[in-house]
Amino acid sequence: EVQLLESGGGLVQPGGSLRLSCAASGFTFSFHAMSLVRQAPGKGLEWVADISGGGTDTYYADSVRGRVTISRDNSENTVYLHMNNLRVEDTAVYYCARVNIAVAGRGYFDYWGQGTLVTVSS
Amino acid sequence: SYVLTQPPSVSVAPGQTARITCGGTNIGSKSVHWYQQKPGQAPVPVVYDDSDRPSGIPERLSGSNSENTATLTISRVEAGDEADYYCQVWDSSSDHRVFGGGTKLTVL
Repeated sequence: EVQLLESGGGLVQPGGSLRLSCAASGFTFSFHAMSLVRQAPGKGLEWVADISGGGTDTYYADSVRGRVTISRDNSENTVYLHMNNLRVEDTAVYYCARVNIAVAGRGYFDYWGQGTLVTVSS
Repeated sequence: SYVLTQPPSVSVAPGQTARITCGGTNIGSKSVHWYQQKPGQAPVPVVYDDSDRPSGIPERLSGSNSENTATLTISRVEAGDEADYYCQVWDSSSDHRVFGGGTKLTVL
């Protein structure tokens, strides 16, 4: 059974940093690209970042580029999202999603985690 | 940047057909994916690559894509179909995934 478990969310002050983790199980991790998608309270889905199965290719939304880094450890079956210089508008539930293929940017999200809430507030 | 436009809401009586549109410039040349999200839950894929269904998704849900509009069609609508629906594509000109704004389906 495919499982994606996010962790690392919480309350952080504007300008602060946070690292989200997504632990995967139930499939061959390196065969799949992974992605982070966020949803602000009461709002729609917003794509944040993609990373290819091998970790060599990454893509970022304009709203987070330069402040966020996505990475993965295929030996630990985990994806990370390092977030710096956080803003109030980064407040959202962050979902980890598996892409059905190894290529970042292509394919679709065939499995989603339950999300972790990040609140940026003073 | 590429924009996907969805109607904010669609209402339909049980047993009728709901059509949710997703508009975008030349969207017919892209692969469109659709996700269903119920309150308090993570999204679930219901259609991928314009018209394919993941396993476990009923045939009542179908997709099409042509020219400037992609459509998710839900036939014989049931109360359990009430949810938010999002379309999504990959925009190769910007190397971005793009979501539509979402459509709230209400079953009357």
